[in-house]
Amino acid sequence: KNQVEQSPQSLIILEGKNCTLQCNYTVSPFSNLRWYKQDTGRGPVSLTIMTFSENTKSNGRYTATLDADTKQSSLHITASQLSDSASYICVVSARTNAGKSTFGDGTTLTVKP
Amino acid sequence: AAGVIQSPRHLIKEKRETATLKCYPIPRHDTVYWYQQGPGQDPQFLISFYEKMQSDKGSIPDRFSAQQFSDYHSELNMSSLELGDSALYFCASSSTVAGEWTQYFGPGTRLTVL
Repeated sequence: KNQVEQSPQSLIILEGKNCTLQCNYTVSPFSNLRWYKQDTGRGPVSLTIMTFSENTKSNGRYTATLDADTKQSSLHITASQLSDSASYICVVSARTNAGKSTFGDGTTLTVKP
Repeated sequence: AAGVIQSPRHLIKEKRETATLKCYPIPRHDTVYWYQQGPGQDPQFLISFYEKMQSDKGSIPDRFSAQQFSDYHSELNMSSLELGDSALYFCASSSTVAGEWTQYFGPGTRLTVL
């Protein structure tokens, strides 16, 4: 059964600090892994997409890593800002005709001043 | 723990027909989101509702409409179906209780338009 597990479920940090969110998956055959940021009541914003051959990808203050052997990914946020407070969702797609995605439950990040 | 429930799980329709997808959020969740994911594509945000009012609108076609009811369940109504509407439709729910933004996704409804 394809599964995506994210940790921690919630996280509170002070403004300016760094943090790392984790995503473990069992989706097979693996196609790609995406991280989304979503503010409450609003649509998701794509942060990164990573394929099998990519280990690290950065997008501004966001850096995602992927270890396809251990089936783990992390999203590192540096110098956090109050606007980083949101839900961060890991989505893994299978390499099938349907390209079915499996969603993690997300990590709720709260950045406090 | 209770999860987001979507029905039906699979639906087959012909062109120009209508379809209604239902989403039952996790109890006490007040926000519902709808996404459409075509084969090999990223999920596309369609629309969201908070406390029965539309809170955000994405790439939802005019042929589609949605609403959230008093019991917080939501329905996505799709009319004049086209072949390109064949996709997975995900529903997610969340609670606006302070500090909780995590979205919980349902298993999806696979719509096939013939």
